[in-house]
Amino acid sequence: DAGVIQSPRHEVTEMGQEVTLRCKPISGHNSLFWYRQTMMRGLELLIYFNNNVPIDDSGMPEDRFSAKMPNASFSTLKIQPSEPRDSAVYFCASSLQTGGNQPQHFGDGTRLSIL
Amino acid sequence: RKEVEQDPGPFNVPEGATVAFNCTYSNSASQSFFWYRQDCRKEPKLLMSVYSSGNEDGRFTAQLNRASQYISLLIRDSKLSDSATYLCVVNKGTYKYIFGTGTRLKVLA
Repeated sequence: DAGVIQSPRHEVTEMGQEVTLRCKPISGHNSLFWYRQTMMRGLELLIYFNNNVPIDDSGMPEDRFSAKMPNASFSTLKIQPSEPRDSAVYFCASSLQTGGNQPQHFGDGTRLSIL
Repeated sequence: RKEVEQDPGPFNVPEGATVAFNCTYSNSASQSFFWYRQDCRKEPKLLMSVYSSGNEDGRFTAQLNRASQYISLLIRDSKLSDSATYLCVVNKGTYKYIFGTGTRLKVLA
């Protein structure tokens, strides 16, 4: 079975540019999460979708960050304009339920470097 | 106090050794518990869920102690390939999964 699929795997761009990260959750999973991981701050939840609806975006750092989930099989995380401090690994994860008793499954991540 | 605490390590153990990690959690309402492993520059991968009665998967055993609010992971007969960071994850029955900062394990030849 296919796991969570993220693209691109790596992204290097100059500050000020728009960055779009993509995620395809596991088929049948109704919960989708975007995380950011850095050495300093560990794993941070950015936004959570349930049945394609954003439920909690309190972790989104600034208005420069936005996320969408137009359908059950696709989500994007966009940064515009990007800044060097956005450099991190961004993970997408999905799970079957919202009650928390099901584990999350992570994609390979996007390693983002903003120069 | 952090909601989920782990000893960062590193735990350096020889091949074949038995090693155990603990993870403490502060919220007594926590309901679900998981162990993940994360290799350097890779994504967290589910190792096992932790059930109230304890559970075993091959060389790995997970236990939950609700009274003392901790979970443990025991690895028997350590392999070089077990070298990784082990993340403890706790959930209160919502969509928020609380991750520990991880315990680094190095298995030495």
